Order: sequence, then structure tokens, then C-alpha cells
Amino acid sequence: GAGVSQTPSNKVTEKGKYVELRCDPISGHTALYWYRQSLGQGPEFLIYFQGTGAADDSGLPNDRFFAVRPEGSVSTLKIQRTERGDSAVYLCASSFQGSGANVLTFGAGSRLTVL
Amino acid sequence: QKEVEQNSGPLSVPEGAIASLNCTYSDRGSQSFFWYRQYSGKSPELIMSIYSNGDKEDGRFTAQLNKASQYVSLLIRDSQPSDSATYLCAVITGGFKTIFGAGTRLFVKA
Repeated sequence: GAGVSQTPSNKVTEKGKYVELRCDPISGHTALYWYRQSLGQGPEFLIYFQGTGAADDSGLPNDRFFAVRPEGSVSTLKIQRTERGDSAVYLCASSFQGSGANVLTFGAGSRLTVL
Repeated sequence: QKEVEQNSGPLSVPEGAIASLNCTYSDRGSQSFFWYRQYSGKSPELIMSIYSNGDKEDGRFTAQLNKASQYVSLLIRDSQPSDSATYLCAVITGGFKTIFGAGTRLFVKA
């Protein structure tokens, strides 16, 4: 696609529920990143994919968070047993990695509110 | 120590002045550095990238890199009210993992 697309744009859920956030990267971009951003903070790294595999998942806060990218394009971030502290904007970014340039293009984000 | 540190501000400058934004990073092996701008309620967008020591200029923006001091800065000349935003410093560490600082809020007063 022309840009990075994230759905849903807003998600309100109750504590303890399961949530899926979807990211459709720019066509041809090999790398895909997930970040979490709370109000007044910078984007917090969660995970990034090179193709289908997770190249670095060191930012996932605990085992309630999981992400997949089964065909090397669309990715889904999955959050189990949501907690109020999970409320944030979840940003997805993609890049074409070459020569270490790695410029990220971000989607509009998915705002998650856990009541 | 945080991997990428920025003064959170806010930094307030009058219109037409030079705004100076600073960033330090902890990974001495980092080779790629970026400045992103984020307007309130929007996603970050790239302003500048810099990979070599020294200055890199693009219009009103100049990025400066000093790897020995592990320091990156962004200068905005002739600041405009439309430059009011949060400026995020980003560093690639360990492969292609991009880490962001907390951001510096800039206000340009008309």
C-alpha cells in the first residue's frame, strides 16, 4: 500500500480481555516494527521483524504480549489478559533495510484503552 | 542509564530564533542516527538522518554528530510556529533495532 495502515484506530476493552492490533506495512518493506507510546513519552520499542521472523523481541514487556508476521507482510500484535497499564498508542512502522539507513515510516497508530 | 537521553523540555524560543535540541546515547557501536518530529496526536515523521561525524544541513535544519562524545544535536534556524512539536532522537543499536528518546517538546512563540 501507499502507507502503513493500522487497524483498529481505537480500541476500548475491559480488563482481562484479549486484543489484536493489525499492521499492514508499505509494500516491499522487509522490516516491521511495533512500538508503544504513552502520553508524554517517546515510542517504546517492543519487537521488530525481518521478513517472517522476529529479529528482536526484547521489548515485549511480558508473556501476555505476542506478535506474528506469518507471510512477511501483515503483522498482528496480540495482547492477552489486558491490564489498565496496557493503555497506550501502539505504533507500527516499516522500513526497507539497506546500507543501515533503516528510515522508519509510521502508521497512524492504534489507541488502546483498557477500562 | 537510558539508551537514548533527551531533555524533555519544554524548550520555548521566539519566532525567528535558533532552536537547539540535544541527545546522548549509550551504545558506542551505534552508526545511524535520526531526528523525527511528532505533532500532537500524530505519528513521528523523519526530519533528518546522519551517519558520519560532523554537520549535515537540510534547509533550516542542521544535524550534528559527535561519536566520540556520543552526542547528536538538531539545530532549527529561523524557527516558525509550525515547528512547534516534539522532536524525537532515534538511534539504531544492535542490528536494525531503532531506539527512541523520550522527546523534547519545542514551542515557538509568534
